[in-house]
Parts: sequence; C-alpha cells; structure tokens
Amino acid sequence: GAGVSQSPRYKVAKRGQDVALRCDPISGHVSLFWYQQALGQGPEFLTYFQNEAQLDKSGLPSDRFFAERPEGSVSTLKIQRTQQEDSAVYLCASSSGTVNQPQHFGDGTRLSIL
Amino acid sequence: AQSVTQPDIHITVSEGASLELRCNYSYGATPYLFWYVQSPGQGLQLLLKYFSGDTLVQGIKGFEAEFKRSQSSFNLRKPSVHWSDAAEYFCAVGQTGANNLFFGTGTRLTVIP
Repeated sequence: GAGVSQSPRYKVAKRGQDVALRCDPISGHVSLFWYQQALGQGPEFLTYFQNEAQLDKSGLPSDRFFAERPEGSVSTLKIQRTQQEDSAVYLCASSSGTVNQPQHFGDGTRLSIL
Repeated sequence: AQSVTQPDIHITVSEGASLELRCNYSYGATPYLFWYVQSPGQGLQLLLKYFSGDTLVQGIKGFEAEFKRSQSSFNLRKPSVHWSDAAEYFCAVGQTGANNLFFGTGTRLTVIP
C-alpha cells in the first residue's frame, strides 16, 4: 500500500509488560513522527526522526519510552514496564521533509494497559 | 509557547447546512497551519494547509479555510455539509525550525438528516 502502515492495530497488555509498536512509513519519506493521542484529545508529539537519526525526543514522557529507526525506514516505539496512563492511541506519521511538508498519518495502534 | 485552541468541543449541523469550525493559534511569527479530519478508528487525513500567500485556501472534500493574521485564526468552512463529513476535526500549527505539529483538542462534528 501507499500509505503509512502501523501494527498491531490493537494491543492489550498487563501493567508492567513491555510493548513494541511498529510503523512502516511511506516509501522515500525521510521524516517520521510519533504522536500519542489520549481519549478525547488531540495528538501530542513524542519524537521525530530524519532518516535514521532521532533528532527530537523532547515529547517522550519518561525513560520508559524508546524509539528507533535503525535503517531509516521502519520505526519501532517501545514502552517498557507499561503503566495504565500509557493507554492511548499511538500515531505514526511520515513526510518528505520538515514541518512545511504535510504529514501523512497511519491508522494508529490503540494500546490498552490493564 | 505555541498553542492551538478549538473552542467548540462538539457541533451539530443539519445535512446541507453550512459549517464553520473555529481555530485560534498562538505563535509569534507566521505559522504553518493545517486542518486534519479523523474518522473513528482511523488516522488523520489532511484536509488543507496554509504556508504563505493567498489567505483563503481550498482543500479536499469541498472544505476551505481562511487565515486571518489580525485575529490569529484559521477557521474551516464548508458551504453544504454531507452526512459523510461527520468526524473529528483537528487544527494544527507548525513553526519554522521545529519538527512537530501542535494540535488542538478537536471538534466533533455530528450531521443530522
């Protein structure tokens, strides 16, 4: 497909477990973003990659959150020792450039922590 | 600091009626402005964007938005709403030198027959 692909679509985990969320951006897009969307809220920025370099991780809420994009394409967002407040939809977006280029979003991963 | 305000949490309109969704932003320079739409269980789809130039921008699905610098606003409009427009609408702002977008809290649109 031509769009941003995220997997899994839904993830249920017990508190304390580690989870990994995958994002497959649009081919050729150098920029990749992760956002967290709490229920009833707008997306909030987590982190940004330009190719394989993580240039901004200012939005990651704690050191339990870790993201990587080792080959400049697929990215993984990992959350260690999950807490209930981590329950949210995690959105991935990609673009061909910086902020003046439109970001294309995936359908998100809905994470529920029990 | 940047901020985006969408003062209307929920709007209900009749099918065929006109629509205006409000968005106000706080940013010192000329921002990059976007409107996205999100259907339940889906990601965000870009409706339109403003970077510079003509302050009235046209988007997909018959939407348009007008950038008013004096009012720090970027309101979204549609002359005749269709039932399929029912969704959540998000206004977002970006800035030169930053990488991410700041989103408002969204406006949920309900369309009644």
